[in-house]
Amino acid sequence: GQSLEQPSEVTAVEGAIVQINCTYQTSGFYGLSWYQQHDGGAPTFLSYNALDGLEETGRFSSFLSRSDSYGYLLLQELQMKDSASYFCAVRGVVDGGYQKVTFGTGTKLQVIP
Amino acid sequence: DVKVTQSSRYLVKRTGEKVFLECVQDMDHENMFWYRQDPGLGLRLIYFSYDVKMKEKGDIPEGYSVSREKKERFSLILESASTNQTSMYLCASSLSVGNTEAFFGQGTRLTVV
Repeated sequence: GQSLEQPSEVTAVEGAIVQINCTYQTSGFYGLSWYQQHDGGAPTFLSYNALDGLEETGRFSSFLSRSDSYGYLLLQELQMKDSASYFCAVRGVVDGGYQKVTFGTGTKLQVIP
Repeated sequence: DVKVTQSSRYLVKRTGEKVFLECVQDMDHENMFWYRQDPGLGLRLIYFSYDVKMKEKGDIPEGYSVSREKKERFSLILESASTNQTSMYLCASSLSVGNTEAFFGQGTRLTVV
């Protein structure tokens, strides 16, 4: 099966940098995604890594190491509006040969002044 | 913009009722998914579909069924609602099997009493 681990809560100061880690287990790995969800809102896509290395999109970056089954989301210049839950999600192959995406349990980020 | 619309934002149903949750996407996406979200458990996949009239079980299909008669519509059915099915239900779609970004609806908060 597929499984992921990420911290349940992280607190960081406005303007600082925070890293949210994610380790995963899957067969037939295709990639690791990150989603943001504000309270009461729908998850929205942030990034996707299929290959090792760092992908940068504005203040957000995502890193993947396939050999370590590990990735992280890096948020720079934190703003109050970044307070949200962040989910990593792994895409792999399951029985029957279908690709499936499994989400982690989410990391609740609180940004404080 | 892609729009994924869930028919109800809030629903209250009685134990034993048959419940239909409807989801429609307007961007001709092949893939559609149903998740439930519970505190501390993240998003758990109930069922998914990669094509019309095609369905595959996710991680927690027990007590649920789905229907996909048209490409744009994916319905989740609770055959006999139980209190442990009280949850937030999220529908999502993505363009194709190889596409990495999923678009989510706003969710249906179902309460079974």
